[in-house]
Amino acid sequence: ETGVTQTPRHLVMGMTNKKSLKCEQHLGHNAMYWYKQSAKKPLELMFVYSLEERVENNSVPSRFSPECPNSSHLFLHLHTLQPEDSALYLCASSQGKNYGYTFGSGTRLTVV
Amino acid sequence: AQSVTQLDSHVSVSEGTPVLLRCNYSSSYSPSLFWYVQHPNKGLQLLLKYTSAATLVKGINGFEAEFKKSETSFHLTKPSAHMSDAAEYFCVVSDSNYQLIWGAGTKLIIKP
Repeated sequence: ETGVTQTPRHLVMGMTNKKSLKCEQHLGHNAMYWYKQSAKKPLELMFVYSLEERVENNSVPSRFSPECPNSSHLFLHLHTLQPEDSALYLCASSQGKNYGYTFGSGTRLTVV
Repeated sequence: AQSVTQLDSHVSVSEGTPVLLRCNYSSSYSPSLFWYVQHPNKGLQLLLKYTSAATLVKGINGFEAEFKKSETSFHLTKPSAHMSDAAEYFCVVSDSNYQLIWGAGTKLIIKP
């Protein structure tokens, strides 16, 4: 266990479903991130929250909606996804950019 | 613009022989550099980081990397490969607020 916990580990959803991914860290970090990892593509940064404020949004479609209610929790709300959204979604946290990120184990999402 | 190039998509070595995973970067100013490892079906784990202190950085599991500014390189090495080192390795550069630039990854294969 890295200190960053993601649930669920696996998720299969239809294109009309609404679901949420959850990430939790108790490392005292002040920044949290959502990444998408697809086969044969570099890791893609989706969202960054610093001190509970969104500071980065890398042109992610609106069918992905992040929420950061406090510094320990991060959610990714999903609705009307497409099959190409199937990927491993990784959450990470850090204490500033120079200390490296701590990653969760990811949620393997399959959209059918 | 910042970029990271991992020169080999796959590296295959025999158990007990040295490992060299190559990484070159480009950055407009002094970067922070990281190596991450991802074992099959697992999340990403920080191996080591360079943040403008000593140029030879020691990480976990016997890995180390040397920052060479003149060559804009940050190659990852290990004197003797172990079967458990089989994984994908990512070189990462950070020199803006929270954006990390990820290499495409190198798959390390260990032959018995």
